[in-house]
Amino acid sequence: SQTIHQWPATLVQPVGSPLSLECTVEGTSNPNLYWYRQAAGRGLQLLFYSVGIGQISSEVPQNLSASRPQDRQFILSSKKLLLSDSGFYLCAWDFGPATGELFFGEGSRLTVL
Amino acid sequence: AQSVAQPEDQVNVAEGNPLTVKCTYSVSGNPYLFWYVQYPNRGLQFLLKYITGDNLVKGSYGFEAEFNKSQTSFHLKKPSALVSDSALYFCAVDGREQAGTALIFGKGTTLSVSS
Repeated sequence: SQTIHQWPATLVQPVGSPLSLECTVEGTSNPNLYWYRQAAGRGLQLLFYSVGIGQISSEVPQNLSASRPQDRQFILSSKKLLLSDSGFYLCAWDFGPATGELFFGEGSRLTVL
Repeated sequence: AQSVAQPEDQVNVAEGNPLTVKCTYSVSGNPYLFWYVQYPNRGLQFLLKYITGDNLVKGSYGFEAEFNKSQTSFHLKKPSALVSDSALYFCAVDGREQAGTALIFGKGTTLSVSS
């Protein structure tokens, strides 16, 4: 069966410090991968998605970047964190398109102080 | 553009009573609709989806949803609520027919079931 892992689960970082959140999927190949951010326990904002190695699409301009160095690995990064980057970050995967559900990781809570 | 709306920030219901969490959608073409549940500090869990076929879709944990094309709604329902159903519920529409999109989520509805 397929599983998705995110780490770290919790992170407290000072403003201006770098960030790296990692997501890996097991038990499948060539998945579509997604990073969402959830602010204040409410709505989900799609940040990035990837349909293959090295292929990244960004939904919104921001202080963050994403990379997919391997088929089942998706990394969210920042060179210098802002207070507004605080939130709950969720990685997800699917096979796409259209009819399949997304499968989510357990999330990474980032607090920027 | 595809979108979903959840008109209620919070729904309160007593245990044992039926519950409804509302969702309306706006899509061009055939709608692919989903419900997810999120418990505190956890990822989202898939409950059910509507792709085609019967308007009443059954999902996990005794939940069901009714697709109504004329009202462009996809309300989540359960005949008898449990305290353990208390969580944040998201409706979503599939935007993946278009390049550069993914599931588009509503803002979420907090369900509170009292004992």
